[in-house]
Amino acid sequence: DIQMTQSPSSLSASVGDRVTITCRASQSISGYLNWYQQKAGKAPKLLIYAASSLQSGVPSRFSGSGSGTHFTLTISSLQPEDFATYYCHQSYSTPDTFGQGTKLDIK
Amino acid sequence: EVHLVESGGGLVKPGGSLRLSCAASGFTFSSYNMNWVRQAPGKGLEWVALIGSISSYIDYAHSVRGRFIISRDNAKNSLYLQMNSLRVEDTGVYYCARGGSGYTWGQGTLVTVSS
Repeated sequence: DIQMTQSPSSLSASVGDRVTITCRASQSISGYLNWYQQKAGKAPKLLIYAASSLQSGVPSRFSGSGSGTHFTLTISSLQPEDFATYYCHQSYSTPDTFGQGTKLDIK
Repeated sequence: EVHLVESGGGLVKPGGSLRLSCAASGFTFSSYNMNWVRQAPGKGLEWVALIGSISSYIDYAHSVRGRFIISRDNAKNSLYLQMNSLRVEDTGVYYCARGGSGYTWGQGTLVTVSS
């Protein structure tokens, strides 16, 4: 199975900050990497698919990059509604696997 | 708009069974792979099972293989998960998720396995 490792596992930041979350795969997954945002008690929401494509309706302050084994999610200027937990997800091969999550909270 | 609504969750004793359903609308259901993903309380996301668009391909997580059965009825735009021999560690919120370019998720249904 492909292991997905996110870092950091938690992060404190302020409104307006630029934030980057990293996801590493245990083997190459080409560009089959997706990012989700999950708020407490809610279902995950797709932000980025295929490593760098912005899902329709998602604000442009979210961006993704990377290929192979190293990927990043960047939020260019944090807004109050962005404080949540973020997960990466590889859909290159089954079993699909997720990172352990990055909890982003207010400093 | 894609809409996925899970149902069938509840409280069940260890060793028991439960059948989850997911009603889909807003897209051509028969054109998409479908998945079940679960989340234990306070934990991360765990993929559970996948079924191809015409049921020609099925796969399971190691943790549920031999106990869970995924199926679909394209005429009814519905996805199912038959869960047998349930264990305490199967407790969590179960989401159905449409495959494709990233997952699109339902709101989830809570399964609690406890004596």
